[in-house]
Amino acid sequence: GNSVTQMEGPVTLSEEAFLTINCTYTATGYPSLFWYVQYPGEGLQLLLKATKADDKGSNKGFEATYRKETTSFHLEKGSVQVSDSAVYFCALTNQAGTALIFGKGTTLSVSS
Amino acid sequence: EAGVVQSPRYKIIEKKQPVAFWCNPISGHNTLYWYLQNLGQGPELLIRYENEEAVDDSQLPKDRFSAERLKGVDSTLKIQPAELGDSAVYLCASSLFPSGSSSGELFFGEGSRLTVL
Repeated sequence: GNSVTQMEGPVTLSEEAFLTINCTYTATGYPSLFWYVQYPGEGLQLLLKATKADDKGSNKGFEATYRKETTSFHLEKGSVQVSDSAVYFCALTNQAGTALIFGKGTTLSVSS
Repeated sequence: EAGVVQSPRYKIIEKKQPVAFWCNPISGHNTLYWYLQNLGQGPELLIRYENEEAVDDSQLPKDRFSAERLKGVDSTLKIQPAELGDSAVYLCASSLFPSGSSSGELFFGEGSRLTVL
């Protein structure tokens, strides 16, 4: 079945540093790909998504490009802020396209 | 627009006791999910409803877990009896798909954190 692997954390950065969180996937067919974020004390919320190869999802300065050739969907941000400190989850649709399968999450901690 | 509402936010019980979690999805969302999130892990699907029908419950441990969505809106997830290993966060999510596609986006509640002593 479909699965996703993301880099383990925690990732610790200083404010304004460049962020990359790696995510690779295994899938049958053409899944949609997502990054969800979970801020402390809050529920999971969608950060960005891409539904087909070469699509770029973007939101709040974060970007990720759906790379079919490398089966990747790496999350990037050029200059992180303290407020970006959260847990980030990479996800993809399951084979039937009816639910999401999540990675284990990567904790990002940004200090000023 | 109100988001997905879950209650209780926190629950502490002794092992072998029963516990129930409630979820109210976003209005108009026909599909409802229960996910389990263990500490340090990503959410894992327990059960998916389309309207009032449980269309995927293959990951639900049916010996102790049960769920219902009687009128196709609110849902309840029950554990009876609870075991120590059930300590986790139980997440409810809703979506418009498979119809009215949002390309798979799920909307999550804040979760119900269960501690079994």
